[in-house]
Amino acid sequence: EPEVTQTPSHQVTQMGQEVILRCVPISNHLYFYWYRQILGQKVEFLVSFYNNEISEKSEIFDDQFSVERPDGSNFTLKIRSTKLEDSAMYFCASSRESKNIQYFGAGTRLSVL
Amino acid sequence: AQRVTQPEKLLSVFKGAPVELKCNYSYSGSPELFWYVQYSRQRLQLLLRHISRESIKGFTADLNKGETSFHLKKPFAQEEDSAMYYCALHSGGSNYKLTFGKGTLLTVNP
Repeated sequence: EPEVTQTPSHQVTQMGQEVILRCVPISNHLYFYWYRQILGQKVEFLVSFYNNEISEKSEIFDDQFSVERPDGSNFTLKIRSTKLEDSAMYFCASSRESKNIQYFGAGTRLSVL
Repeated sequence: AQRVTQPEKLLSVFKGAPVELKCNYSYSGSPELFWYVQYSRQRLQLLLRHISRESIKGFTADLNKGETSFHLKKPFAQEEDSAMYYCALHSGGSNYKLTFGKGTLLTVNP
């Protein structure tokens, strides 16, 4: 069964550094998403991406964040200058259509020191 | 604004007992509701969606628009049901995001 793949599983970085979280969505899916979950809190929507552009973003997704689909398979989330409060689990998801089921990756745990 | 509330952070039952995980939502339109489950060290995976009206692993959930609820039920809990359960809402239309509740950790004791 195809799965959404995320790398790395754990990323440790220093405050102020740039990080790139990588995702390989399911191959015939057209919609891509990033969510995050701060420890002990709910899973929160960050951004959705369709047809090579952002289709919706939350207030969390400020200028420090960007997303990109650099080739036909990868979908990345970049945080330009990480802050302590960016420490969280980041989940990538994909769906075939906007109203379809979203399939989640196993997540990347980002630790900002 | 849309909101999903799962009032119980933790729920502990014995094997064979009925279980109900509560979910209430706040949304003025016609949402689509989901239950996602996360077993230990595994990814979030879809358990149920309300439009399917099906039973998965013995779980059912009925959308009650009057009470704005989508409670998850199973008549006889099994140890393998122990997991984190998240209720989620999709507002449909041109929106794309899922809004999640905080989750309920279900523990089924032998």
